[in-house]
Amino acid sequence: DTEVTQTPKHLVMGMTNKKSLKCEQHMGHRAMYWYKQKAKKPPELMFVYSYEKLSINESVPSRFSPECPNSSLLNLHLHALQPEDSALYLCASSQGVFGATEAFFGQGTRLTVV
Amino acid sequence: LAKTTQPISMDSYEGQEVNITCSHNNIATNDYITWYQQFPSQGPRFIIQGYKTKVTNEVASLFIPADRKSSTLSLPRVSLSDTAVYYCLVGDRMNSGYSTLTFGKGTMLLVSP
Repeated sequence: DTEVTQTPKHLVMGMTNKKSLKCEQHMGHRAMYWYKQKAKKPPELMFVYSYEKLSINESVPSRFSPECPNSSLLNLHLHALQPEDSALYLCASSQGVFGATEAFFGQGTRLTVV
Repeated sequence: LAKTTQPISMDSYEGQEVNITCSHNNIATNDYITWYQQFPSQGPRFIIQGYKTKVTNEVASLFIPADRKSSTLSLPRVSLSDTAVYYCLVGDRMNSGYSTLTFGKGTMLLVSP
């Protein structure tokens, strides 16, 4: 199984809502990532988890809260988002840590904040 | 921080070979060079990775000169389905001291009939 599964595929939320994005992989990968991608822009790194510990937080606002419950799961909790946070949110995983190996990406969650 | 520079866009026709060159003048000694392909509204897909010289797999070749300051992705006999954005990545050392994958602007390849 070489899949990274993200749910939901689409999400519309209001600015006062709380929601969560989920990501799952069963490849035994030790690193997991969250990226944000706006239209016609490259993916921007948000968070990196290594061995279930947060290793990199790229100055992401606190309204985005990552969580890694176990080695296969990665969540992104959303609260009080702004319309400019609307984007494609991508999860990825890799066997090696920090860029030395192939990363597998999920299909993303298309988030719309209204 | 290692940065990459690629052409913004390229055009080709079906059946041609396409070569996309990426500059990474500040690549670190232990950094690999990795290329990804992305279709609209999908996650990026790994194409190929190399450290030096030449690497070939079933879909592409990667040429890396001895100084490793650039690399060239070669796609043989492209088809319409190869129309996508292609990203060249090298390790990017973050403020935390760790090195991870950050994306540059990418190259939009358009293949026409």
